[in-house]
Amino acid sequence: DAEITQSPRHKITETGRQVTLACHQTWNHNNMFWYRQDLGHGLRLIHYSYGVHDTNKGEVSDGYSVSRSNTEDLPLTLESAASSQTSVYFCASSVGQAWNEQFFGPGTRLTVL
Amino acid sequence: AQKVTQAQTEISVVEKEDVTLDCVYETRDTTYYLFWYKQPPSGELVFLIRRNSFDEQNEISGRYSWNFQKSTSSFNFTITASQVVDSAVYFCALSEQRGGSQGNLIFGKGTKLSVKP
Repeated sequence: DAEITQSPRHKITETGRQVTLACHQTWNHNNMFWYRQDLGHGLRLIHYSYGVHDTNKGEVSDGYSVSRSNTEDLPLTLESAASSQTSVYFCASSVGQAWNEQFFGPGTRLTVL
Repeated sequence: AQKVTQAQTEISVVEKEDVTLDCVYETRDTTYYLFWYKQPPSGELVFLIRRNSFDEQNEISGRYSWNFQKSTSSFNFTITASQVVDSAVYFCALSEQRGGSQGNLIFGKGTKLSVKP
């Protein structure tokens, strides 16, 4: 069955370290998204990609970067982790149109000490 | 600017009660899509329903129903005869087509529903 996976599921790191969160989907979807979920804020869009080599900034992109070298993967990198980036991160994918629902990964809980 | 408001932060009901979760949205687009997602205590996000801006028919799926009213910019979700398994955080979300967007979702802050036995 097609799926979307994230790794690691839990991560503890220190301020200033670089961290990469992996997202892998086997749906063959063109679109991939990264969101962060924080209490009182719901889910907010960090970065998104509409295809290979395409990346775009979302609402809360500062301190994050992504790259898309193939259809299946969209890794999210925190260049220099900050305590404010402690959050739950969700990756999602969709076919490619505004009306298509997104399929979400299980989430990664990141703690920055 | 586009925005989704879920004014109810938390709702607590007793099993078998009916409950309505409110969702109000703002958009300047004439073509848009509304979604509801469920996040149970296990944490995953589960798609429940999609509605496009041209279809104001209400939808019913078992104990779940959705009421879309463009006149009030609302897309409310009702659970009839609630059950403990309905306990979750529910998110309403908006997707627009303007600016070449291909489904970027704007989420409300969510409503946490607790159903007590």
